[in-house]
Amino acid sequence: LAKTTQPISMDSYEGQEVNITCSHNNIATNDYITWYQQFPSQGPRFIIQGYKTKVTNEVASLFIPADRKSSTLSLPRVSLSDTAVYYCLVARRSSARQLTFGSGTQLTVLP
Amino acid sequence: DSGVTQTPKHLITATGQRVTLRCSPRSGDLSVYWYQQSLDQGLQFLIQYYNGEERAKGNILERFSAQQFPDLHSELNLSSLELGDSALYFCASSVDSSGSTYNEQFFGPGTRLTVL
Repeated sequence: LAKTTQPISMDSYEGQEVNITCSHNNIATNDYITWYQQFPSQGPRFIIQGYKTKVTNEVASLFIPADRKSSTLSLPRVSLSDTAVYYCLVARRSSARQLTFGSGTQLTVLP
Repeated sequence: DSGVTQTPKHLITATGQRVTLRCSPRSGDLSVYWYQQSLDQGLQFLIQYYNGEERAKGNILERFSAQQFPDLHSELNLSSLELGDSALYFCASSVDSSGSTYNEQFFGPGTRLTVL
């Protein structure tokens, strides 16, 4: 499994765009990049998944450069309720396997 | 609401005891995963069941065991409990059909186990 590196913590203010970058230098050809969000004392929640270039859904965008050695989760106009831990995972696209979570990034949104 | 249910929500017990945690997956999901989250270890995969059969094992202790029943609900049994077993235990489920294309697992609300 490719190892991921994320910042331990980030602070932002309400209404700002937040970009969290994840490094995954050993990503394999068949690996996809997936981000999960976790609030305190709750289970993680799937945010977005991508393979290359850009993916956008109703809550976030995921930017992946051509070499795929890193990825950036972009949260537009964050609110206080976006304060959570964000995990970057790299694995082959399949729902039939366990997820390997790293330390994640604690995002704190300030008023 | 993910559609995954876990009971009980909280469990307080003593060292040496045995407990059973229960999980009901989303309707239609065949795979159930168990994860342990403690402050010092983060979120760790324990074990996976698919349609009643064990599919993958992670960092699960020999004192722990699990099973998935014909109705697809799953139970995680923790025995000879130690103080260090205090943690949040999450169950997750996924579709695992040929049409599934995402690493998307749906997590339950968790069971908080406190061993005194």
